[in-house]
Amino acid sequence: AQSVAQPEDQVNVAEGNPLTVKCTYSVSGNPYLFWYVQYPNRGLQFLLKYITGDNLVKGSYGFEAEFNKSQTSFHLKKPSALVSDSALYFCAVRGAGSQGNLIFGKGTKLSVKP
Amino acid sequence: DAGITQSPRHKVTETGTPVTLRCHQTENHRYMYWYRQDPGHGLRLIHYSYGVKDTDKGEVSDGYSVSRSKTEDFLLTLESATSSQTSVYFCAISSGRDYNEQFFGPGTRLTVL
Repeated sequence: AQSVAQPEDQVNVAEGNPLTVKCTYSVSGNPYLFWYVQYPNRGLQFLLKYITGDNLVKGSYGFEAEFNKSQTSFHLKKPSALVSDSALYFCAVRGAGSQGNLIFGKGTKLSVKP
Repeated sequence: DAGITQSPRHKVTETGTPVTLRCHQTENHRYMYWYRQDPGHGLRLIHYSYGVKDTDKGEVSDGYSVSRSKTEDFLLTLESATSSQTSVYFCAISSGRDYNEQFFGPGTRLTVL
């Protein structure tokens, strides 16, 4: 069965420092991986996805993610964090079958302090 | 929010009452989904639809039913609400083509007393 793990409930970073939000996955077949961000009292916003090709995927708001097949990881990164990046981040994998639903991790709260 | 609206945005109801949540999209997408979001669980799929009158169950479908009589509307019904159904409910759409990302509505916060 497809599954996603986000091992950190919260990540704290100082503004201007690099940030990493971790995600590992377990899938049967090729992984199709996604990152979403949720700001308070808002819906989820798509950040980026990995389907195939380059292992480093660039997305919205300066975020990128690195796909590592051997470690079954898809960590979200940003070179220089902003206070406005503070939000809840979800990693997701496409579910098995044709319905296209997503299997989500539990989420990681990112807190960026000035 | 990609042309997706949800109504109501907030609702408080009592145990045992029926509740219907509405998701409306303006972009003629084939696939629509209902998820619930709970702390410590992320988002979990309740039901989805792959066309008018075509629906199927997701991971946590017990206690929920759905209907889709028009492409633009996807309704989620709690036949007899329970306190365990207190949650934030999100509707999502996708074009249905393989590997496409989903886009989410603003959510409905439901409290069952």
